[in-house]
Amino acid sequence: DVKVTQSSRYLVKRTGEKVFLECVQDMDHENMFWYRQDPGLGLRLIYFSYDVKMKEKGDIPEGYSVSREKKERFSLILESASTNQTSMYLCASSFPGQGLNIQYFGAGTRLSVL
Amino acid sequence: AQKITQTQPGMFVQEKEAVTLDCTYDTSDQSYGLFWYKQPSSGEMIFLIYQGSYDEQNATEGRYSLNFQKARKSANLVISASQLGDSAMYFCAMRDYNAGNMLTFGGGTRLMVKP
Repeated sequence: DVKVTQSSRYLVKRTGEKVFLECVQDMDHENMFWYRQDPGLGLRLIYFSYDVKMKEKGDIPEGYSVSREKKERFSLILESASTNQTSMYLCASSFPGQGLNIQYFGAGTRLSVL
Repeated sequence: AQKITQTQPGMFVQEKEAVTLDCTYDTSDQSYGLFWYKQPSSGEMIFLIYQGSYDEQNATEGRYSLNFQKARKSANLVISASQLGDSAMYFCAMRDYNAGNMLTFGGGTRLMVKP
């Protein structure tokens, strides 16, 4: 079974702190994604990566950065956390290409910024 | 830009009855894929069913079927014989193959199954 693991289920941080959210997948997927989920808005793409050291901005990249030094690991970084970044963060991975390339998701990290 | 609309923020269904969750999409492209995911309270997104834009038959996976009406740009999820474990958030998503293979999600529908 595909496994996407996010390092924390719940996280509480202070405004201005630097925050790292880690995601690891074990299926040798090229593509990895970070989403944030807010009620009524569904999932919105923050950043994605289609290869090691490659990254592309999604729909809402402001206030975030990412790092992908190894194929299996994709990190989301909040350089200076703000209260409007309180949200659920979901990591996903998939093979590239068209057709049924399912994105597999981690269990999510619920981040609260106080 | 692609857009996915789920017009039902919340729905109730009686156990063992069928339920339809609505999804409409907007795209100018001919090649795309439609996905449904389930998110139980545990938080993990679970893939349910997929429909390609060129697939002629409606997709089915066990108790899940996708009512795909291309001309109306709708991709409704039908769950037959609802079970208590079906209570969850359900998200419709579209992958536009001409837009970098990204998934665009709708706002979700919370389904609650009554015993």
